[in-house]
Amino acid sequence: AQKVTQAQTEISVVEKEDVTLDCVYETRDTTYYLFWYKQPPSGELVFLIRRNSFDEQNEISGRYSWNFQKSTSSFNFTITASQVVDSAVYFCALSEAHTGFQKLVFGTGTRLLVSP
Amino acid sequence: ETGVTQSPTHLIKTRGQQVTLRCSSQSGHNTVSWYQQALGQGPQFIFQYYREEENGRGNFPPRFSGLQFPNYSSELNVNALELDDSALYLCASSPGGGTGNTEAFFGQGTRLTVV
Repeated sequence: AQKVTQAQTEISVVEKEDVTLDCVYETRDTTYYLFWYKQPPSGELVFLIRRNSFDEQNEISGRYSWNFQKSTSSFNFTITASQVVDSAVYFCALSEAHTGFQKLVFGTGTRLLVSP
Repeated sequence: ETGVTQSPTHLIKTRGQQVTLRCSSQSGHNTVSWYQQALGQGPQFIFQYYREEENGRGNFPPRFSGLQFPNYSSELNVNALELDDSALYLCASSPGGGTGNTEAFFGQGTRLTVV
């Protein structure tokens, strides 16, 4: 069965601190896709990144970076030099290839509070 | 290019009633998915529509049904509303059949309250 665990319910940091959001997943598929989404108070989910199971390269996009490790089934997200605008709920999600459609399985989310 | 739009933004219904939520997909996207997000939880997949047919469904009862129209817009219908149906309902659109690796674009959701 597919499952995503985000053990950190809420994280509070002060602006300019670095912060890492953890994500651990479970799947029996060999081909799967991992995602991170940001949910600001307005409600919509904003796509941040997609990674497929065959690509373990870490990725950096500006202040954001992602560390994918299949050996530990983890896909962690780091924000460097956090800003107040980063305050939101962040979701990690998993989609399996065998279904033929996109069923995103989300974790319970991590609420990030960045104070000035 | 317009994004995913949902209507209404908020809705209050009485237990036992029926509700219809609407979603306009992003231009060029032929696949729509619906998710239910209870307070403090992650979104849960309800179903996906591709070319006007339901091609994937999550663990939701039959009283949750949907439609997709030729212009790829979609409706989510919920019959016999229960208090536990109170949630944020999110619509997502994606291109190319909405397979596992597709980037899904989400709307701002409809907040449904059942009293």
